[in-house]
Amino acid sequence: DIQMTQSPSSLSASVGDRVTITCRASQSISSYLNWYQQKPGKAPKLLIYGASSLQSGVPSRFSGSGSGTDFTLTISSLQPEDFATYYCQQSYSIPHFGPGTKVDMK
Amino acid sequence: EVQLVESGGGLIQPGGSLRLSCAATGFTVSSNYMSWVRQAPGKGLQWVSVFYSGGSSYYADSVKGRFTISRDNSKNTLYLQMNSLSPEDTAVYFCARVVPTSYYAMDVWGQGTTVTVSS
Repeated sequence: DIQMTQSPSSLSASVGDRVTITCRASQSISSYLNWYQQKPGKAPKLLIYGASSLQSGVPSRFSGSGSGTDFTLTISSLQPEDFATYYCQQSYSIPHFGPGTKVDMK
Repeated sequence: EVQLVESGGGLIQPGGSLRLSCAATGFTVSSNYMSWVRQAPGKGLQWVSVFYSGGSSYYADSVKGRFTISRDNSKNTLYLQMNSLSPEDTAVYFCARVVPTSYYAMDVWGQGTTVTVSS
């Protein structure tokens, strides 16, 4: 199975900050990498698919990059509604999610 | 409106069985790939199973041989039959639509149904 790691596991940030989360696959997954946002008690929400394609309706402050084994999710200017946990997920083979990155308020 | 609504969760004793349902509106389950994903209390997301539109299915190793994914086209509903449940299966179970043309991302999710396995 292809395993996923994320860093950091948590971060504290302020509104307006630029936030970067990284995700690494245990082997190459081409661009089969998706990012989700989850708020407490809610279902995950798809943000980015195919490493860099923005899901319809998702604000343009979210962006993704990378291919192969290393990927990045960037929030260009953190907004109050962005405090949440973010998961990467590989869809190259049997799906696996990363362990998550919790973004909370500094 | 495209929507998924799960039901069927509850408190069940170890060794018991439960069937989860996921009713879809706004799209056809039989024409789509569908997955189940679970989340144990305070933990991350774990993929459980996928049902491809052609009829094939796959499972995570942790549930293989115990869980069965299926669908009822007439009810536009996805199911997850869970047998031989253990406390490690305690989680919120989500169903999701998988989009092959979007790198197999899960673009529509239900609100989740809670399964608690305890004596």
